[in-house]
Amino acid sequence: GNSVTQMEGPVTLSEEAFLTINCTYTATGYPSLFWYVQYPGEGLQLLLKATKADDKGSNKGFEATYRKETTSFHLEKGSVQVSDSAVYFCALTGAGGTSYGKLTFGQGTILTVHP
Amino acid sequence: GAVVSQHPSRVICKSGTSVKIECRSLDFQATTMFWYRQFPKQSLMLMATSNEGSKATYEQGVEKDKFLINHASLTLSTLTVTSAHPEDSSFYICSAKGENTGELFFGEGSRLTVL
Repeated sequence: GNSVTQMEGPVTLSEEAFLTINCTYTATGYPSLFWYVQYPGEGLQLLLKATKADDKGSNKGFEATYRKETTSFHLEKGSVQVSDSAVYFCALTGAGGTSYGKLTFGQGTILTVHP
Repeated sequence: GAVVSQHPSRVICKSGTSVKIECRSLDFQATTMFWYRQFPKQSLMLMATSNEGSKATYEQGVEKDKFLINHASLTLSTLTVTSAHPEDSSFYICSAKGENTGELFFGEGSRLTVL
């Protein structure tokens, strides 16, 4: 079955530091890959996504590239801010049809950014 | 963007009682909604897929008689935890699939505490 493995947290950084959160996956076929963010006290929000190999998703300074050869979708940001403090989830779903939307999540990585 | 609302956001109940959680798509129709459960410091686990006008599809290991799902309209799905026990205490999150784009939108979550 499908699975997603994220680097264990928590991750603590100073403001303006470089961020990498590793994510690798196991899936059949060609899944779509996502990063979701959950800010304190809020629900999940889509941060970025990629639907095919070599696609790069980007949003709010975050980027992740769909690497099929390494089955990875690592999240990066060049300069984090205090407001980026949140829990980040890597997720995947089936390529399409009725399987699309059934997300498999990684365990989540807590990010704390200090001033 | 599209909004998905859950109600109640927090509920405390006595052991043995039943609790209903609502998930509404506020500005779009969703023939498919998903229910997830999130344990503390753990990932989200898909419980079931809710399809408007038909029976829900449950994931392996989820008791369908305990977690009743009803998707009676294109904008509302409900999850009823029947005869709740303390081990059912958790954070329940729904998501709805946008009909036009297929994008997934998440509710804010509902925290259930069973005493």
